Amino acid sequence: EIVLTQSPGTLSLSPGERATLSCRASQSVSSRYLAWYQHKPGQPPRLLIYDASSRATGIPDRFSGSGSGTDFTLTISRLEPEDFAVYYCHQYGSSLPYTFGQGTKLEIK
Amino acid sequence: QVQLQESGPGLVKPSETLSLTCTVSGGSISSYYWSWIRQPPGKGLEWIGYVYFSGSTNYNPSLKSRVTISVDTSRNQFSLRLSSVTAADSAVYFCARGGWSHDRWGQGTLVIVSS
Repeated sequence: EIVLTQSPGTLSLSPGERATLSCRASQSVSSRYLAWYQHKPGQPPRLLIYDASSRATGIPDRFSGSGSGTDFTLTISRLEPEDFAVYYCHQYGSSLPYTFGQGTKLEIK
Repeated sequence: QVQLQESGPGLVKPSETLSLTCTVSGGSISSYYWSWIRQPPGKGLEWIGYVYFSGSTNYNPSLKSRVTISVDTSRNQFSLRLSSVTAADSAVYFCARGGWSHDRWGQGTLVIVSS
């Protein structure tokens, strides 16, 4: 099983700042099959990025994903008030089970 | 716009079978993969498995002996059955579109396993 470790656990930033979230895999994620989700309380997760760097439909371009192999990054270039939430990475490469990271909570400083 | 809605009992007794249905509206269930994902209270997300509209499936190995995901194209629905449940199966259960990344999700339904 591929274990995804997200860091930091909590990130405290102010609106307008840049956020960098990390996701490290215990084994290489094949074909960059990694997604990022935003999750707010009482709502379903929202797909932001798939295949490591492709933005999902309707996602603002301030969200970007990068990385390959075992190291992946979600960057939010300028934080808006609605961006404060929990973010999960998710790998869906060739080995089962598909797994999620434990999440990074992005909170307002 | 495709919408998904989970339905089923919110309380299941230990050792019994959890059954949930996801109804897809605003689009056809055909030509897509459909998944179930859960989130225990205070914990992260866990992938349960997916079904293709043709009926082929793939499951989390840790749950494989207890889980069945099926599809009913005539009703535009797919379903989850999880047998021999314990308190560890208490979670918010989400249905979602896609077998790998998931671009549409239901709101989620809380299932508690308790006597």
